[in-house]
Amino acid sequence: AQRVTQPEKLLSVFKGAPVELKCNYSYSGSPELFWYVQYSRQRLQLLLRHISRESIKGFTADLNKGETSFHLKKPFAQEEDSAMYYCALRDGATNKLIFGTGTLLAVQP
Amino acid sequence: DAMVIQNPRYQVTQFGKPVTLSCSQTLNHNVMYWYQQKSSQAPKLLFHYYDKDFNNEADTPDNFQSRRPNTSFCFLDIRSPGLGDTAMYLCATSRGYGGTYNEQFFGPGTRLTVL
Repeated sequence: AQRVTQPEKLLSVFKGAPVELKCNYSYSGSPELFWYVQYSRQRLQLLLRHISRESIKGFTADLNKGETSFHLKKPFAQEEDSAMYYCALRDGATNKLIFGTGTLLAVQP
Repeated sequence: DAMVIQNPRYQVTQFGKPVTLSCSQTLNHNVMYWYQQKSSQAPKLLFHYYDKDFNNEADTPDNFQSRRPNTSFCFLDIRSPGLGDTAMYLCATSRGYGGTYNEQFFGPGTRLTVL
């Protein structure tokens, strides 16, 4: 069954510290993975997708098919990075997005 | 700004009283989605439209219906809300399915409370 797991409900770090938000997936095909972000009082929006292989707001995520992971990383956290982060998997057969339960990132000053 | 708009932002209804949630978009996207997100849970797709073609998820209760009268508008109807339907309802759109067309743009959500 297709599934996305985000093991941490809350990740609290200090400003300037490295950040890694974990995401593991279960999918029987070639996965397409995304990170969505929701800042306080704002709508859910796309942060990055694995096929783009780009860095957005200093965040990167590498698809590791061997470990079935798509962890989100940033070397130096900023206070404005505080938000809810959702990892999502696109089911190519149905085009549905399957979301993880999200990780709340809190960056302390 | 082109965007996805949901009305109302907050809705309180009584057990069993039908309720309709509205979503509109100015992006001229082909696909419109409805998600249900209960407290501390992942958003869960209820159904979506590709143009006029309706695609229901297998586990969406019959109590939930949808209408898309034109490209811009899509409605979520809950015929007889139960207490368990209390949730945030998210509308999203995408240009299409493939490649970069599948980026989904979300509305702010409607928080529904069933009493």
